Amino acid sequence: EDQVTQSPEALRLQEGESSSLNCSYTVSGLRGLFWYRQDPGKGPEFLFTLYSAGEEKEKERLKATLTKKESFLHITAPKPEDSATYLCAVDTGANSKLTFGKGITLSVRP
Amino acid sequence: KAGVTQTPRYLIKTRGQQVTLSCSPISGHRSVSWYQQTPGQGLQFLFEYFSETQRNKGNFPGRFSGRQFSNSRSEMNVSTLELGDSALYLCASSLTAGGPYYEQYFGPGTRLTVT
Repeated sequence: EDQVTQSPEALRLQEGESSSLNCSYTVSGLRGLFWYRQDPGKGPEFLFTLYSAGEEKEKERLKATLTKKESFLHITAPKPEDSATYLCAVDTGANSKLTFGKGITLSVRP
Repeated sequence: KAGVTQTPRYLIKTRGQQVTLSCSPISGHRSVSWYQQTPGQGLQFLFEYFSETQRNKGNFPGRFSGRQFSNSRSEMNVSTLELGDSALYLCASSLTAGGPYYEQYFGPGTRLTVT
């Protein structure tokens, strides 16, 4: 069975304090790894898709990387508005079924 | 470009009742997936529709069902509601179903409370 584990469950940072969020996965065959951001009471907002080990994608203060066993979401010099839950999901099948991790709740203090 | 819309946004039902939730995908998107989100289990896949056909189904009881119309709009139905069905129900749309490159975009969700 496909498994996605995100760590830590919660992370508190000071504004400007860079850090990384981890997503490790155990799947039979990875077709894509997705990162989403979710604000309270809202649906997940798409951030990145990574398809193969070694791939990297960047967007503003966020950078996502992928290896054969895990993905990292690096946050550089975070701001309070980066506070949210960050979800990682994998696609391993031929259809649009994503298996999600439980998410990492990030809190950035001013 | 309008995003994924879901109606209603909030719903309160009583145990034993049934409920229908609606999802309108992004214009041009033909695949619609449904997910249930709870604090304990996180986001769990319910089912996915493409061109009015259910292509994939998660591990949920038969009380959970859905359908997709010719305009790609989708509905999901939950019959004989139980307290444990209280959750945020999310709809996601994508241009295609699966394939090597696709992205799923989520709606704001419907918050269902069963009392």
